Amino acid sequence: GAGVSQSPSNKVTEKGKDVELRCDPISGHTALYWYRQSLGQGLEFLIYFQGNSAPDKSGLPSDRFSAERTGGSVSTLTIQRTQQEDSAVYLCASSPLLDLSYNEQFFGPGTRLTVL
Amino acid sequence: AQTVTQSQPEMSVQEAETVTLSCTYDTSESDYYLFWYKQPPSRQMILVIRQEAYKQQNATENRFSVNFQKAAKSFSLKISDSQLGDAAMYFCAYRATGTASKLTFGTGTRLQVTL
Repeated sequence: GAGVSQSPSNKVTEKGKDVELRCDPISGHTALYWYRQSLGQGLEFLIYFQGNSAPDKSGLPSDRFSAERTGGSVSTLTIQRTQQEDSAVYLCASSPLLDLSYNEQFFGPGTRLTVL
Repeated sequence: AQTVTQSQPEMSVQEAETVTLSCTYDTSESDYYLFWYKQPPSRQMILVIRQEAYKQQNATENRFSVNFQKAAKSFSLKISDSQLGDAAMYFCAYRATGTASKLTFGTGTRLQVTL
């Protein structure tokens, strides 16, 4: 079946503008994760969704960052008043939630955000 | 908090040779998962291999194998018979047990494969 998809693939914006990044998880995957990969860094966790609720938002770096998930499927990560330090690749991953078993996270290709 | 450290920003290996990528981690948990992911220029993260901490036997997947030293909190990846297609960024990652735990990543090692 189809993998995790993300759009847009690349986004260039001006400082101060708002941006929305979209993630379409694998159908049927209950869990959805957002990660950020800054230049020369590993991936850092941003937020986790189980269904439509977000039990772990601990990685969101500021209140300019928010995310929602609707219908247990598509998720949108919104960054308000973008800053140059927000420039990074934003990766989404989804996972089935199978009790008492290993749940692999499947990653999308990411959105490269550049803030000028 | 858990941390993952990859001390080799770049490595190079000749085609058909063997290379080992290093990773250390810190955790107070006794049971957890460890992973190696490959990220080619396409940015798609690909799972290479995983290790459950409660298993003493080192995981292997074809040309890829790990050396898991739980007491030393070390988790290295060995790539045998290196191929040009192995060139990529490699990330070591940790995950606590629990059905929905997040991944904690190292900063990555860029692997070059030369002819």
